[in-house]
Amino acid sequence: GAGVSQSPSNKVTEKGKDVELRCDPISGHTALYWYRQSLGQGLEFLIYFQGNSAPDKSGLPSDRFSAERTGGSVSTLTIQRTQQEDSAVYLCASSPQSPGATNTEAFFGQGTRLTVV
Amino acid sequence: DAKTTQPPSMDCAEGRAANLPCNHSTISGNEYVYWYRQIHSQGPQYIIHGLKNNETNEMASLIITEDRKSSTLILPHATLRDTAVYYCIVRVYSGGSNYKLTFGKGTLLTVNP
Repeated sequence: GAGVSQSPSNKVTEKGKDVELRCDPISGHTALYWYRQSLGQGLEFLIYFQGNSAPDKSGLPSDRFSAERTGGSVSTLTIQRTQQEDSAVYLCASSPQSPGATNTEAFFGQGTRLTVV
Repeated sequence: DAKTTQPPSMDCAEGRAANLPCNHSTISGNEYVYWYRQIHSQGPQYIIHGLKNNETNEMASLIITEDRKSSTLILPHATLRDTAVYYCIVRVYSGGSNYKLTFGKGTLLTVNP
């Protein structure tokens, strides 16, 4: 596809269940970001993958949150034992990044709206 | 990480120029300023970026002060479709190919007819 694809677009889950959110970045983009956006709030950084480097996990809010990026392409964000405060839109972005790059524009997907009931 | 400060909201009349300010007083010499916007219920969209020179593209102009501690995004002729949250971001470089975009709360620009 031409853009960043996220699935599902909407997810309703019961409190305590685990969920997996998927992101297909733009082909060839080495960097991938996950953000969370609660209603009426700005974007909260969660995690950043760049090539083969160790991911920057500094934004993950708790150990219930984890993410993987397989083969440098598709990424999955997993939330275990979901809580109501996890309800938010989860946004993924990818970017073509190379050493010394002057433009590392990030392209965003449309997000997954997670509702924990 | 460099932090940015933006006013929470601004209004602009349709057809007028919209000037959105951003303070980034702790920016380092190799850190770029990026602007994105987010229209309701959509993912953020890249607008423009710069290091120290003023920049212009088909969407907007970016004016960066000489000391690089602040910048202004200019939409020269705002339309109703420009109503969105505008984010000013400092791209943090941590070596190699590692960059990081940290978003603040942004400015809600409302363009009025």
